[in-house]
Amino acid sequence: DAMVIQNPRYQVTQFGKPVTLSCSQTLNHNVMYWYQQKSSQAPKLLFHYYDKDFNNEADTPDNFQSRRPNTSFCFLDIRSPGLGDAAMYLCATRVGRNTEAFFGQGTRLTVV
Amino acid sequence: QKEVEQNSGPLSVPEGAIASLNCTYSDRGSQSFFWYRQYSGKSPELIMFIYSNGDKEDGRFTAQLNKASQYVSLLIRDSQPSDSATYLCAVNGAGANNLFFGTGTRLTVIP
Repeated sequence: DAMVIQNPRYQVTQFGKPVTLSCSQTLNHNVMYWYQQKSSQAPKLLFHYYDKDFNNEADTPDNFQSRRPNTSFCFLDIRSPGLGDAAMYLCATRVGRNTEAFFGQGTRLTVV
Repeated sequence: QKEVEQNSGPLSVPEGAIASLNCTYSDRGSQSFFWYRQYSGKSPELIMFIYSNGDKEDGRFTAQLNKASQYVSLLIRDSQPSDSATYLCAVNGAGANNLFFGTGTRLTVIP
């Protein structure tokens, strides 16, 4: 059974049109992450939550926002997608630091 | 972001050989280290993790950690074609929940 679920698997959005990606988990983990991964590159940490505490990476563009309304769900909002935002977006969860992170299947975002 | 460096490869080994993958990290306070495997178009999946200096073995895989040298490696014994994938090193920063990934090493096992 999938434990970290991302929806949708594939998302096509228009240049400049806001888009939201979602992630849910059945593991009751405290920490949730959003990564951006472009082809042949490392997953780049955008931000993470520890419970409701939000931690934004210094180099994450303001165009990217996140919400975590409860333990199970986390959303990534891209306010005005550009062509350079086309990537795989990965959600991951874990209990806390120094523990294994579990990944969802990812959402592949295309910007047209 | 904290630097995690890997040779991008590609690394090619014949079936049955040992594959050696290396990773260095810049944050001396890093506490935990993870190796993930990622097949093309898929999400990363954990192979193993290591916290303490020395070796840790799990089946055909051995992770090695040297905190003084800020170096972690993964050995894959008896490599199989199914091991062909990108191997990502991930490092947990000191006192934080951040988890940073290296670029990954692409491994090809030749039958």
